[in-house]
Amino acid sequence: AQSVTQPDIHITVSEGASLELRCNYSYGATPYLFWYVQSPGQGLQLLLKYFSGDTLVQGIKGFEAEFKRSQSSFNLRKPSVHWSDAAEYFCAVGAGSGGYNKLIFGAGTRLAVHP
Amino acid sequence: NAGVTQTPKFQVLKTGQSMTLQCAQDMNHNSMYWYRQDPGMGLRLIYYSASEGTTDKGEVPNGYNVSRLNKREFSLRLESAAPSQTSVYFCASSEGTANYGYTFGSGTRLTVV
Repeated sequence: AQSVTQPDIHITVSEGASLELRCNYSYGATPYLFWYVQSPGQGLQLLLKYFSGDTLVQGIKGFEAEFKRSQSSFNLRKPSVHWSDAAEYFCAVGAGSGGYNKLIFGAGTRLAVHP
Repeated sequence: NAGVTQTPKFQVLKTGQSMTLQCAQDMNHNSMYWYRQDPGMGLRLIYYSASEGTTDKGEVPNGYNVSRLNKREFSLRLESAAPSQTSVYFCASSEGTANYGYTFGSGTRLTVV
């Protein structure tokens, strides 16, 4: 069965520091991978997605993610974190028999940013 | 553009009461989804509708029913609310299959007492 694991429940970084959020997936075929961000009290916003091709994908707000098939990972990175990046981040994989019918989400990583 | 609109934003129910959560999208998307979000569990799929006229169960369908009223609207009904259904509910839509990615509504926070 398809699944997504985000090993870190909470991460705290200082403003200006670099960030890496981990995501591991389990899926038999070529995965469609996504990162979403949720600010407090809000819905989820798409940061970036990977379908095929270049394994390093760029997203909004200065985020990027790298797909590594050998490690079944799709980690999210940002070189310099801003206080406004404090939010919850969700990794998701497109899955479903007979096609990619739905997204399966990880449990999320909550990011806190210290000034 | 409104995107995906959910109503209500907040609701408190007593155990055993019923209610319907409404969701509408104005992007001419084919697929619509209902998820619930609980702390430490991420988002879990309740039901989805790949196209108008079809609905399918997701990961946690028990205690819920859905109706794809037309291409724009996808409602979620709780027939007899239970405290375990206290959650934040999100509706989402996608242009085609899920690999297009979702557009989410802003959520409904439901408390069952």
